[in-house]
Amino acid sequence: EPEVTQTPSHQVTQMGQEVILRCVPISNHLYFYWYRQILGQKVEFLVSFYNNEISEKSEIFDDQFSVERPDGSNFTLKIRSTKLEDSAMYFCASSEARGGSSPYNEQFFGPGTRLTVL
Amino acid sequence: AQSVTQLGSHVSVSEGALVLLRCNYSSSVPPYLFWYVQYPNQGLQLLLKYTTGATLVKGINGFEAEFKKSETSFHLTKPSAHMSDAAEYFCAVTPKPPPNYKLSFGAGTTVTVRA
Repeated sequence: EPEVTQTPSHQVTQMGQEVILRCVPISNHLYFYWYRQILGQKVEFLVSFYNNEISEKSEIFDDQFSVERPDGSNFTLKIRSTKLEDSAMYFCASSEARGGSSPYNEQFFGPGTRLTVL
Repeated sequence: AQSVTQLGSHVSVSEGALVLLRCNYSSSVPPYLFWYVQYPNQGLQLLLKYTTGATLVKGINGFEAEFKKSETSFHLTKPSAHMSDAAEYFCAVTPKPPPNYKLSFGAGTTVTVRA
């Protein structure tokens, strides 16, 4: 069964460093998402991405964040200068491009990358 | 804005007993509602969803949920708990139809199942 994969599973970094979190969405999916979950808090939407551009972003997704689809398979989230409060589990998700009368297109989630900023 | 409240961060049930997880939502427009489950070290997996039509929705693993507009609720139930149901469960809402939509999640409910 196809699945979304994420690497690494755990990333430890120093405050101020850049990190890149990587995701491989399901191959025929066209919509991509990043969510995060700070320990003990809700899963929060960060950004959605379609047709090589951001469709929507939350207020969390400030200039320190960027997303990219560098090739036909990867989808990355970059945090330019990490802060302590960026420590969280980051989830990537993807969905097909169906809509309208088609079955509702489920978002498939990866297992997450736990980011720890020291 | 849309939001979700899950009552009870932890629920403990005996094997074979009813599982009931509560979810209430607020939405300014007709919502699309979801339940996701997360097993340890895995991603979120869709259990079931309500978009339109029948208000009682059946999902995978014997779970079902009922959309009650008058109560703004979407509670998740399973008649008989199994040990494999131990996981974290998330209710989510979106106001926007597919294909491109963002989910607003509740805080999650951790279910433990006692033998």
